[in-house]
Amino acid sequence: EVQLVESGGGLVQPGRSLRLSCAASGFTFDDYAMHWVRQAPGKGLEWVSGISWNSGSIGYADSVKGRFTISRDNAKNSLYLQMNSLRAEDTALYYCAKVAMVVAASGYFDLWGRGTLVTVSS
Amino acid sequence: QSVLTQPPSVSAAPGQKVTISCSGSSSNIGNNYVSWYQQLPGTAPKLLIYDNNKRPSGIPDRFSGSKSGTSATLGITGLQTGDEADYYCGTWDSSLSGVFGGGTKLTVL
Repeated sequence: EVQLVESGGGLVQPGRSLRLSCAASGFTFDDYAMHWVRQAPGKGLEWVSGISWNSGSIGYADSVKGRFTISRDNAKNSLYLQMNSLRAEDTALYYCAKVAMVVAASGYFDLWGRGTLVTVSS
Repeated sequence: QSVLTQPPSVSAAPGQKVTISCSGSSSNIGNNYVSWYQQLPGTAPKLLIYDNNKRPSGIPDRFSGSKSGTSATLGITGLQTGDEADYYCGTWDSSLSGVFGGGTKLTVL
């Protein structure tokens, strides 16, 4: 089955770190760029970060630049998001999403996971 | 404040037609394809329209998309109660800098 499954969310204190994972299955993971998109409670979608198929191109939203690091392990069909210096405003449901076109760094997202919830609170 | 501007809400009666606008700039919509996503309550977003006006397999032709200059529009005809959802437009500001609209809540009266 073609799917993305996020994990690693939870309750964390401000200033602490958390690492999210996204396990991919059912498609050739290393052919596609992958992205993280988040959604704060009751709010809209916010693009967070993206990584090309070979990790050669990486981008971050200004709101997380310098604090979050995206990475991938193609041998494990997995995407990661290392989140440091977490703030209350990082509280959100974090989705991983697959870009539709082979090799393209960006484009439209044709596959989304169900998300993992990150709550930053003391 | 989202980079792309959408109306917060739209509504129409069953069977009617509705349009949702998405306004951006030359750095995003003006130079990139637009995609649209439907998010039903409590679920992950789902691709509805890609490359401005193309529908993925399985998306009925009641849904359509268009783009002109720095704006895009999603159209839904023959509204059904099952269409009640949040709709988001998305595009890119550069190769790896994604942007979304703030979302539009569709109510089918």
